[in-house]
Amino acid sequence: EDQVTQSPEALRLQEGESSSLNCSYTVSGLRGLFWYRQDPGKGPEFLFTLYSAGEEKEKERLKATLTKKESFLHITAPKPEDSATYLCAVQASYGGATNKLIFGTGTLLAVQP
Amino acid sequence: DAGVTQSPTHLIKTRGQQVTLRCSPISGHKSVSWYQQVLGQGPQFIFQYYEKEERGRGNFPDRFSARQFPNYSSELNVNALLLGDSALYLCASSPLAGFGNTIYFGEGSWLTVV
Repeated sequence: EDQVTQSPEALRLQEGESSSLNCSYTVSGLRGLFWYRQDPGKGPEFLFTLYSAGEEKEKERLKATLTKKESFLHITAPKPEDSATYLCAVQASYGGATNKLIFGTGTLLAVQP
Repeated sequence: DAGVTQSPTHLIKTRGQQVTLRCSPISGHKSVSWYQQVLGQGPQFIFQYYEKEERGRGNFPDRFSARQFPNYSSELNVNALLLGDSALYLCASSPLAGFGNTIYFGEGSWLTVV
């Protein structure tokens, strides 16, 4: 069964203290790995899609990387406004459902000033 | 440009009632999917529609149904509501149904069943 596990469940950082969030997955035929940011009471906001092992993408203080078994979201010198839940999801072949994403439970990040 | 829009944003229903949630995808997007997110969990896939046809269904009972209209907007219907249906219902859209498309989410509809 396809599965996505995120760790840690929660992370508290001081402003400027860099760290990484982990997303490990087991899936048959990965077609894409998605990262989203979700603020309380809001819908997920798209950050990145990674398609193949070795791929890296950056956006401001965030950098996502992908291996054959896991993905990392690196946060460099975070600011309080980076506080949110970060969700990882995998996309695979599920019959005709090409937009079916399997999500992890997320990492709740709190950045203190 | 407007993102994925959903309505209503919040609603309260009684057990046994029926609810209809609405979604307008990003302009030009033809694929719409629905997800349920229970507090503290990641979203779970319910349906995908493309060109008015169902492309996939998640592990949800037949009380859940959906449809897509010619303008690509979509409705999610849930019958015979249970307390456990209380959740954030998310609509997502993408330009096409194939892989390699970015999937964008709306802000969701909060459903509380009492």
